[in-house]
Amino acid sequence: AQTVTQSQPEMSVQEAETVTLSCTYDTSESNYYLFWYKQPPSRQMILVIRQEAYKQQNATENRFSVNFQKAAKSFSLKISDSQLGDTAMYFCAFILYNNNDMRFGAGTRLTVKP
Amino acid sequence: ETGVTQTPRHLVMGMTNKKSLKCEQHLGHNAMYWYKQSAKKPLELMFVYNFKEQTENNSVPSRFSPECPNSSHLFLHLHTLQPEDSALYLCASSQDRGLAGQETQYFGPGTRLLVL
Repeated sequence: AQTVTQSQPEMSVQEAETVTLSCTYDTSESNYYLFWYKQPPSRQMILVIRQEAYKQQNATENRFSVNFQKAAKSFSLKISDSQLGDTAMYFCAFILYNNNDMRFGAGTRLTVKP
Repeated sequence: ETGVTQTPRHLVMGMTNKKSLKCEQHLGHNAMYWYKQSAKKPLELMFVYNFKEQTENNSVPSRFSPECPNSSHLFLHLHTLQPEDSALYLCASSQDRGLAGQETQYFGPGTRLLVL
């Protein structure tokens, strides 16, 4: 069974600084996708970034980038130039190719301080 | 944030009540999902529908009954719930299964359910 682990329940960062959220996963499969979702307080969960396992290049979306280490089964999220609006719960998620069952980590609560 | 809508946003019900949660997606997707989100726990996948056919049922108690009349609408019928069923219930949709470019799930705002 696939599992996703986020070892940091809570983190904080000063505005404009950089923070990295950790995620590890466990699978014996080789074709899958990884995601980071953001859930602001009392607001909708939205996709931050996605990564295909077959791609070696790390995905980037503006201030958000990932460090995907397939052999280590690690998928960390780096947020550069943190903004107050980045305050949210961040969930790492995993889904096998051609499958509907997305697995989520328990989440990391990130607080950006002014 | 309006691609997937859910109603009601908040619901309080007694253990003997019957209620329904509604989800509607305006994205032209073919797969829809129900998740349960409890405090300090990972999201739990409850049900999956692909092209209106249920493809996943993750050992969910029968007091939760899903219905998918078409690809745009998904319901979760609730009856004789327990207090431990109190949680945020999220609906999501995706273009299709985990095929390249079609696997990303888009979430609704959720229904906050409290069972007394």
